[in-house]
Amino acid sequence: SAVISQKPSRDICQRGTSLTIQCQVDSQVTMMFWYRQQPGQSLTLIATANQGSEATYESGFVIDKFPISRPNLTFSTLTVSNMSPEDSSIYLCSVVRDRGIYGYTFGSGTRLTVV
Amino acid sequence: GEDVEQSLFLSVREGDSSVINCTYTDSSSTYLYWYKQEPGAGLQLLTYIFSNMDMKQDQRLTVLLNKKDKHLSLRIADTQTGDSAIYFCAESKAAGNKLTFGGGTRVLVKP
Repeated sequence: SAVISQKPSRDICQRGTSLTIQCQVDSQVTMMFWYRQQPGQSLTLIATANQGSEATYESGFVIDKFPISRPNLTFSTLTVSNMSPEDSSIYLCSVVRDRGIYGYTFGSGTRLTVV
Repeated sequence: GEDVEQSLFLSVREGDSSVINCTYTDSSSTYLYWYKQEPGAGLQLLTYIFSNMDMKQDQRLTVLLNKKDKHLSLRIADTQTGDSAIYFCAESKAAGNKLTFGGGTRVLVKP
């Protein structure tokens, strides 16, 4: 299965600043997904990132707040902009393997605390 | 709309079987997955089942799917302390589509 390296693993940030999270995959993948897991909650999809096109955002998430880049088939970034304490969450990237039939692989996550 | 629900908590004694339940509302859910999340870690895919299957067994894990009732269960045989984690069920409509997750079931295995 694909191996995902996600950085940073955790960070503590001041409100009003931005943090960019990187996701590097060891093989080329078509689709990458960014999820948010708020404390004690389940995972919610933020957006789907395809190489060469704009990311597709889920309801409640906007590009100005969560800009995403997908410059090639092995890399993506998610930026959390103008952070507030409500953005404190774990952010995870995920890739489809085998066209998703056999499941999705997740990065280890970025634990973000906004103070 | 899409909705996937799980019970919040399960406590089980080491060596017993655990059964984690999941219900979903969308009959077009085609692929159903069970993920495990240990503290401070990402999600690990445990097993999956397709909607045209009723059961799947993989070592200590047994997945049962009742399409009529839209009910999915994960049975862990001979539960060990290392099985203590949060278990998420998830569904997707088609291969490569986004996953919709349940709220997660926290399993605590007592010695």
